[in-house]
Amino acid sequence: GQQLNQSPQSMFIQEGEDVSMNCTSSSIFNTWLWYKQDPGEGPVLLIALYKAGELTSNGRLTAQFGITRKDSFLNISASIPSDVGIYFCAGAQTGANNLFFGTGTRLTVIP
Amino acid sequence: NAGVTQTPKFQVLKTGQSMTLQCAQDMNHEYMSWYRQDPGMGLRLIHYSVGAGITDQGEVPNGYNVSRSTTEDFPLRLLSAAPSQTSVYFCASSWAGYGYTFGSGTRLTVV
Repeated sequence: GQQLNQSPQSMFIQEGEDVSMNCTSSSIFNTWLWYKQDPGEGPVLLIALYKAGELTSNGRLTAQFGITRKDSFLNISASIPSDVGIYFCAGAQTGANNLFFGTGTRLTVIP
Repeated sequence: NAGVTQTPKFQVLKTGQSMTLQCAQDMNHEYMSWYRQDPGMGLRLIHYSVGAGITDQGEVPNGYNVSRSTTEDFPLRLLSAAPSQTSVYFCASSWAGYGYTFGSGTRLTVV
């Protein structure tokens, strides 16, 4: 299957700090998605990106679709305790019916 | 709207037993998928469907069967459970190209 590498694997930050994480692939994707997963729950879609170079925001979250189509970035500004969770990137090559997921970035926010 | 509903939430099986994981969505989505989530490996696609009567294999289909007789339901069958199938299983649905909505998961242990 496709290999999506997420970094960092985990982060410990102080409340109020900004966070950056990224996802790279050896293959080109037409769609990049970012999900957040809370313990015991399924992933919840945060941001969807459909065009190379696209920069999209959702509140304090901003994500970008890399120009090469092989990477994507997620930034969280002014982190709060409820940002704690695992963040996954996902890429799709044909519509969105076959998503490939990264291994996740576990975020801990220290109050 | 209930979204994507998965049952059961937890299940323990003995090696060789069979069972069906249920998934239902009430959003009239055409696309439905099954993923498994293992520690350190992200989510991997098992099977997916682009509409009633149409299914296809994903990245890790061996040991699993699916069918899609209605738009709403997409059950996943384990014919002869093996310890390697111990995992958390997620069902998801979407409009094509608009990101997936996930259920809350079924945690399966095979002993």
